[in-house]
Amino acid sequence: EVRLLESGGGVVQPGGSLRLSCAASGFNFANYAMSWVRQAPGKGLDWVSTITPTGGRSYNADSVKGRFSISRDNSKNTLYLEMNSLTAEDTAVYYCAKGRLVVTSLESWGQGTLVTVSS
Amino acid sequence: SYVLTQPPSVSVAPGQTARITCGGNSIGRKRVHWYQQKAGQAPVLVVYDDSDRPSGIPERFSGSNSGNTATLTISRVEAGDEADYYCHVWDNSSDHGVFGGGTKLTVL
Repeated sequence: EVRLLESGGGVVQPGGSLRLSCAASGFNFANYAMSWVRQAPGKGLDWVSTITPTGGRSYNADSVKGRFSISRDNSKNTLYLEMNSLTAEDTAVYYCAKGRLVVTSLESWGQGTLVTVSS
Repeated sequence: SYVLTQPPSVSVAPGQTARITCGGNSIGRKRVHWYQQKAGQAPVLVVYDDSDRPSGIPERFSGSNSGNTATLTISRVEAGDEADYYCHVWDNSSDHGVFGGGTKLTVL
């Protein structure tokens, strides 16, 4: 059974930093592209970042470019999202999701972790 | 940047057919994926690559894609289908993922 378990969310002050993790199990993690998608309270889905299976290339939404960094450790079956210079607009539930390739569908999702940026 | 446009809401009576559209410039040239998100839950993939269904998704869910519009069709709608539905593509021009704004399906 595929399992994706996000952690690391919480309350952080504007301008602060946070690191999210996504522990994967039930599939060959190193063979799949991984993504972060967020959802602000009461809003729709918002693509954040995607990383290739090897971690050799990553892609980021314009809204987070230069502030967020996606990475992965295939030896630990774990995906990360390093978030810096956080603003209130980054407040959202952050989901990790797996896809066979960067361009393919997000076939499995975690349950999400809530990030709240507030003073 | 590439934009996907969905109607905010669609309403249908039980047993009828719901059609949810996703508009985008030449979207017919892209692979479109659809997700169902019930209240308080994570999204679930219901259609991928325009018209394929993951295992476990009922045949009542189908998709099509041509020209500037992709469509998710739900036949014989049930109360349990009430949810938000999102379309999704990968835009090769910008190397960005893109989601539609979402459509709330209400079962009357």
